[in-house]
Amino acid sequence: NAGVMQNPRHLVRRRGQEARLRCSPMKGHSHVYWYRQLPEEGLKFMVYLQKENIIDESGMPKERFSAEFPKEGPSILRIQQVVRGDSAAYFCASSGQDLTDTQYFGPGTRLTVL
Amino acid sequence: GNSVTQMEGPVTLSEEAFLTINCTYTATGYPSLFWYVQYPGEGLQLLLKATKADDKGSNKGFEATYRKETTSFHLEKGSVQVSDSAVYFCALSDGPNFNKFYFGSGTKLNVKP
Repeated sequence: NAGVMQNPRHLVRRRGQEARLRCSPMKGHSHVYWYRQLPEEGLKFMVYLQKENIIDESGMPKERFSAEFPKEGPSILRIQQVVRGDSAAYFCASSGQDLTDTQYFGPGTRLTVL
Repeated sequence: GNSVTQMEGPVTLSEEAFLTINCTYTATGYPSLFWYVQYPGEGLQLLLKATKADDKGSNKGFEATYRKETTSFHLEKGSVQVSDSAVYFCALSDGPNFNKFYFGSGTKLNVKP
């Protein structure tokens, strides 16, 4: 059973460009979570999604950031008009149908904004 | 609100030394508590968890006991190895559903041979 997959692992963007980060949950998992880790800090919750629904986006910046988890395909975290402060590691996690299931994390995408 | 506080690192130990990484929490409900480990360049891996007071989570020689009276979940290992060098994160999930995690800032452990 493959784990949570994220791509790309490293992404470099110039200020003003768009960044798209992809996450494929573990097989059979229907809940996806996105976290951001700034250098020397812990992970901060951004958004929780189920298929075609955003359940909790309380950690998402109000502007430029959006997330989706379509019926088919991976979950996408999209950052428009990136700024240097967006440079961070972005981690995706997934969990199963039972909401008491533990979250399993992907290897992360390290975004660098030049 | 919910928050997790961990001891600052880095923690440097010699192989076979005893490890303690302190973690305390603040939560509005009855949280579940977790320790995750992050090896260089990788994502987080669940190390152990405890879902109610007085539970002890254990895995790979690590253990932590959920202490409600002191709101703590300290990580311990009796004899560390070089391969334990990593960053350790304490986390809580509030309530019975693990929908949102609150992480501490992480403690880097360096184990020297």
